[in-house]
Amino acid sequence: NAGVTQTPKFQVLKTGQSMTLQCAQDMNHNSMYWYRQDPGMGLRLIYYSASEGTTDKGEVPNGYNVSRLNKREFSLRLESAAPSQTSVYFCASRLRSMNTEAFFGQGTRLTVV
Amino acid sequence: TQLLEQSPQFLSIQEGENLTVYCNSSSVFSSLQWYRQEPGEGPVLLVTVVTGGEVKKLKRLTFQFGDARKDSSLHITAAQPGDTGLYLCAGALFGNEKLTFGTGTRLTIIP
Repeated sequence: NAGVTQTPKFQVLKTGQSMTLQCAQDMNHNSMYWYRQDPGMGLRLIYYSASEGTTDKGEVPNGYNVSRLNKREFSLRLESAAPSQTSVYFCASRLRSMNTEAFFGQGTRLTVV
Repeated sequence: TQLLEQSPQFLSIQEGENLTVYCNSSSVFSSLQWYRQEPGEGPVLLVTVVTGGEVKKLKRLTFQFGDARKDSSLHITAAQPGDTGLYLCAGALFGNEKLTFGTGTRLTIIP
């Protein structure tokens, strides 16, 4: 059972570089999410997608863009990385319902120097 | 500011003691969930509470959803070192797929 797969697991970027974080789920879930987690903190929502073809901003969307490529895949792009974007990024998915469990990937540890 | 505030932010207690973690908001949620996160891993669901006033028990863990659906608590009885971790509450507003997480409580149980 693959569940939610994120790539890459680790990445170091220089300030101003761009990159795309990939996320794919094989559970036929409707909703997908991108969060960032700073050391010792909770998760902050960057963007989410309630269904294929729709995306919405979360709490901290500035500096990021997303694409819901199809039902399985939801990518997060940093167009011009900044040191403030150093964080661990988690992708999650769940069935479209307010009460269902969210399943998470293993995370991407991003460092911007 | 985050929609869901947890307290305390850090808690370190001796094995065998009891503890309570709180999750508070000014908004009304359709449900609240509690997750636990281990280092290097994503959060894993512990429980979902749906009805105002609902109490759910999971072995030594007791979860309660406030009557007004704005808050929740997690009570651990006779804490064990295996309970160590980051505890996160999460919720979605009615009719919205946006899943918001709380600020987190880092729990350390000392043997």
